[in-house]
Amino acid sequence: ETGVTQSPTHLIKTRGQQVTLRCSSQSGHNTVSWYQQALGQGPQFIFQYYREEENGRGNFPPRFSGLQFPNYSSELNVNALELDDSALYLCASSQGRGRIPSTDTQYFGPGTRLTVL
Amino acid sequence: AQSVAQPEDQVNVAEGNPLTVKCTYSVSGNPYLFWYVQYPNRGLQFLLKYITGDNLVKGSYGFEAEFNKSQTSFHLKKPSALVSDSALYFCAVRDLGVGQNFVFGPGTRLSVLP
Repeated sequence: ETGVTQSPTHLIKTRGQQVTLRCSSQSGHNTVSWYQQALGQGPQFIFQYYREEENGRGNFPPRFSGLQFPNYSSELNVNALELDDSALYLCASSQGRGRIPSTDTQYFGPGTRLTVL
Repeated sequence: AQSVAQPEDQVNVAEGNPLTVKCTYSVSGNPYLFWYVQYPNRGLQFLLKYITGDNLVKGSYGFEAEFNKSQTSFHLKKPSALVSDSALYFCAVRDLGVGQNFVFGPGTRLSVLP
């Protein structure tokens, strides 16, 4: 069992609305990454937080934003939802050690299934 | 930029037979390679990783992977497949740029037939 939890499990929104997804990292982990997995595809990296600071971002527009809290849990916020935002959103945590490149394993939560109508 | 290819969308194998799920990669430096498995409506579960050392890496649930630098491959293998191994398998390479995150392949669906 990975220990990473996400809420909610499922969510249905309409176009133009805003959504917040939540993630609790595995105990002892200080790094959280978010991924979007569209149906039939591999996960795509959205961004990563290390010790409450964003330290990497993929090719996603600014309406995708995030936050990491002092307990290392994290939120993903998406504004002005579009139909193409429908996907499984995965959170992964790891024990970052500041080395570059990092060999840390990322452990994934079960995901939040977002449907935009 | 790093990239990963999984040339087979689907792999079918009979229970008890050996299985191989293929992965090739492209990186600019030393490759850090991972395999994950995803069951329906679930997140990704870590199977194994190659960082350095032995080319044969052993992981969870009897899986292993062979790193081949000359062929830039990292194929996942298991000597004897189980029906419960049926799932979606993802190969990933560590991106040395953007937050050192994973670049995933498109996935290979493994079906183990009883």
